[in-house]
Amino acid sequence: NAGVTQTPKFRVLKTGQSMTLLCAQDMNHEYMYWYRQDPGMGLRLIHYSVGEGTTAKGEVPDGYNVSRLKKQNFLLGLESAAPSQTSVYFCASSARAGGYNEQFFGPGTRLTVL
Amino acid sequence: AQTVTQSQPEMSVQEAETVTLSCTYDTSESDYYLFWYKQPPSRQMILVIRQEAYKQQNATENRFSVNFQKAAKSFSLKISDSQLGDAAMYFCAYRSPTGTASKLTFGTGTRLQVTL
Repeated sequence: NAGVTQTPKFRVLKTGQSMTLLCAQDMNHEYMYWYRQDPGMGLRLIHYSVGEGTTAKGEVPDGYNVSRLKKQNFLLGLESAAPSQTSVYFCASSARAGGYNEQFFGPGTRLTVL
Repeated sequence: AQTVTQSQPEMSVQEAETVTLSCTYDTSESDYYLFWYKQPPSRQMILVIRQEAYKQQNATENRFSVNFQKAAKSFSLKISDSQLGDAAMYFCAYRSPTGTASKLTFGTGTRLQVTL
């Protein structure tokens, strides 16, 4: 049981390049999330999904796109990377059932845009 | 929108001593969930403890406990018998009741140093 995994762990891009971050979970969770973490700002929600085929905008969605074609995968895309997108990106997932709905996090991806 | 405030960017504690990390939040909801996450240098986010607003009893998990003051909208984390492995960033987080996709709102974090 791997939990939540993220690919890649590190990446360096040049301004204007594109890339896709992959998140996978094996817990059969309905909900999935993408966050970015910047110094002094905590984690901020970029996009999220409440089920296969659905996506929604979070707090800081500009410059990012997402897709959830399969329940276990949630992709985060940067079409034209900018230095302001240099950050650590975390994926998380949670079950839909009521209660605490704890979010389980992946190990993060450190992205540098030059 | 809910906000979460952690007013202590850094804290330091000696090994075996007790430390309290502060967290306040702003909400108009009556039921909600609060969490403390730990982020060690490995970057992995680890859930430390959680509390439901309707439960008056403070949550405890081994050496970790909370002081939940609903009227004051305060949710502090107490770490007893601090260990070197407790050194990490600690994030307080708020979650609205079911129906909001279980989204979390995080504070800006407190970096805890543990000294010998």
